[in-house]
Amino acid sequence: NAGVMQNPRHLVRRRGQEARLRCSPMKGHSHVYWYRQLPEEGLKFMVYLQKENIIDESGMPKERFSAEFPKEGPSILRIQQVVRGDSAAYFCASSPDVGLNTEAFFGQGTRLTVV
Amino acid sequence: EDKVVQSPLSLVVHEGDTVTLNCSYEVTNFRSLLWYKQEKKAPTFLFMLTSSGIEKKSGRLSSILDKKELSSILNITATQTGDSAIYLCAVRALITNSGYALNFGKGTSLLVTP
Repeated sequence: NAGVMQNPRHLVRRRGQEARLRCSPMKGHSHVYWYRQLPEEGLKFMVYLQKENIIDESGMPKERFSAEFPKEGPSILRIQQVVRGDSAAYFCASSPDVGLNTEAFFGQGTRLTVV
Repeated sequence: EDKVVQSPLSLVVHEGDTVTLNCSYEVTNFRSLLWYKQEKKAPTFLFMLTSSGIEKKSGRLSSILDKKELSSILNITATQTGDSAIYLCAVRALITNSGYALNFGKGTSLLVTP
């Protein structure tokens, strides 16, 4: 049973380009959380999704950021027109259905560098 | 707004020392508190606590939850340099009939020196 898979592991984008980060949850997990981590800081919540549904996006910047978790395929975090301040590590975590109160498992993260 | 607060933010100890890390929370519909260890990669799961007063133990690490005080501690005895990491506390709270929020504190950065 593969763990949470994120790709790419490292992504370099020029200012103004788009960044697409992918997260495939663990098998059987239907909940995905995205977090951003700046150097020397903790994990800042961005968005929480179930399949085809955004549960909580209170941590997402209003502009340029969007997320989806389609019925088939990975969850995507999209950042349009990236700026230097978007450089960070982006982690996703997955957990099973709400009926099971278990831990969330993390992917290895995508390190985005905007140049 | 739900809050998770960890203290201290950073800590430097010598090998062999015992450390206690703290996590306090203010959430509605609390379900569980989780501890993670993060080195230079993804956070790895340590403990999940749901009931007050029951200690979870794994080797030199242990943790306990106090629901009355809305807090948890993580103890590490006989620390080793390999314990150097950021320790993250997260609280899971029910936000809808179909979803849990999972909010993290800022972490405690522990450095164990030889």
